[in-house]
Amino acid sequence: SQTIHQWPATLVQPVGSPLSLECTVEGTSNPNLYWYRQAAGRGLQLLFYSVGIGQISSEVPQNLSASRPQDRQFILSSKKLLLSDSGFYLCAWSLTGGKFFGPGTRLTVL
Amino acid sequence: QQPVQSPQAVILREGEDAVINCSSSKALYSVHWYRQKHGEAPVFLMILLKGGEQKGHDKISASFNEKKQQSSLYLTASQLSYSGTYFCGTDLISSGSARQLTFGSGTQLTVLP
Repeated sequence: SQTIHQWPATLVQPVGSPLSLECTVEGTSNPNLYWYRQAAGRGLQLLFYSVGIGQISSEVPQNLSASRPQDRQFILSSKKLLLSDSGFYLCAWSLTGGKFFGPGTRLTVL
Repeated sequence: QQPVQSPQAVILREGEDAVINCSSSKALYSVHWYRQKHGEAPVFLMILLKGGEQKGHDKISASFNEKKQQSSLYLTASQLSYSGTYFCGTDLISSGSARQLTFGSGTQLTVLP
């Protein structure tokens, strides 16, 4: 069966510091991968998606970037965090049907 | 384009029924439904791929009206465990192979004993 991992689970970072969130999927090959962000009490905003290694599409212009160095690894990064980057970051995978979310990383930028 | 969900919130007593609606201004390839408990990740409930398709999962079912570009989620004889925020996600016909979803703002469902 497929599983999706994200780490860290929680993170507190100062404004201006860098960020690296990692997501890995097990039990499947060549999945579509997605990064979503959810602000407190709000809906899910699609940030990036990838259909293959090195293929990244951005939905929202921002100070974040994503990379897919391996088939089942998706990384979200920032060089300098803003206060507005705080939120719940969710990685998801899919093949042809539903999207399955990882446990998420709760990021607080102070 | 974000789909519109209604109602924004609903409070039920255990055993009552509820309907949550999701509508889009653009032609849809599919509609997905998710439930999110507080502090947790969304959990996939079902996907509707064809116009007019209806699916069920326990006492939770959904329909997809392709012509009206809308979907409805039906919760029958609600249980306490149904409480949470329900999101619809829409996949447009114009999407590429990534089939990326745009989520509605959510419907907060509370089931009281």
